[in-house]
Amino acid sequence: KNEVEQSPQNLTAQEGEFITINCSYSVGISALHWLQQHPGGGIVSLFMLSSGKKKHGRLIATINIQEKHSSLHITASHPRDSAVYICAPEGSARQLTFGSGTQLTVLP
Amino acid sequence: NAGVTQTPKFRILKIGQSMTLQCTQDMNHNYMYWYRQDPGMGLKLIYYSVGAGITDKGEVPNGYNVSRSTTEDFPLRLELAAPSQTSVYFCASSYSSEQFFGPGTRLTVL
Repeated sequence: KNEVEQSPQNLTAQEGEFITINCSYSVGISALHWLQQHPGGGIVSLFMLSSGKKKHGRLIATINIQEKHSSLHITASHPRDSAVYICAPEGSARQLTFGSGTQLTVLP
Repeated sequence: NAGVTQTPKFRILKIGQSMTLQCTQDMNHNYMYWYRQDPGMGLKLIYYSVGAGITDKGEVPNGYNVSRSTTEDFPLRLELAAPSQTSVYFCASSYSSEQFFGPGTRLTVL
């Protein structure tokens, strides 16, 4: 079973700040997903990556497979980025194991 | 495309009752999943399917059953509902990369 640890659990930032959320996992994987859960409960996929770095708008995700570690960065944070961010390594049959999430609050 | 749809959105059950949570996707995805999310906890996999006619247990399958007779539909059956099954249930589907999630069903068992 893949143990997934995210840090921090809670994060409050001022608008415009650079934000980093970290994820560590215990078992080798084929890919890792970053998800966003909105205050209303809906879940959307942000990234799926198996190596290196991906960028989408103000969001950047990196992964180091050897160190079993991934990070999600948000540049120029905005109040609308307030949500729970979830790390989920992918195992066999594309099964995901989920971290408990990082609650991000961005204040105006 | 509607994506992944789930019904109902909310439901209150009495202990011992049964119900089926419906999940449908219109993206022709082979993989489908059922997760539950308890308050303050990460999502946990209940059952998954890699294609029509094929299902398998996830991390927390006890008290649930599934079927996958078509590519589109993946219903989750609760028999003899228990308070421990109070949770938010998410269905998801994927083809080769990201998973697409339904809006969730909030279930309370009293």
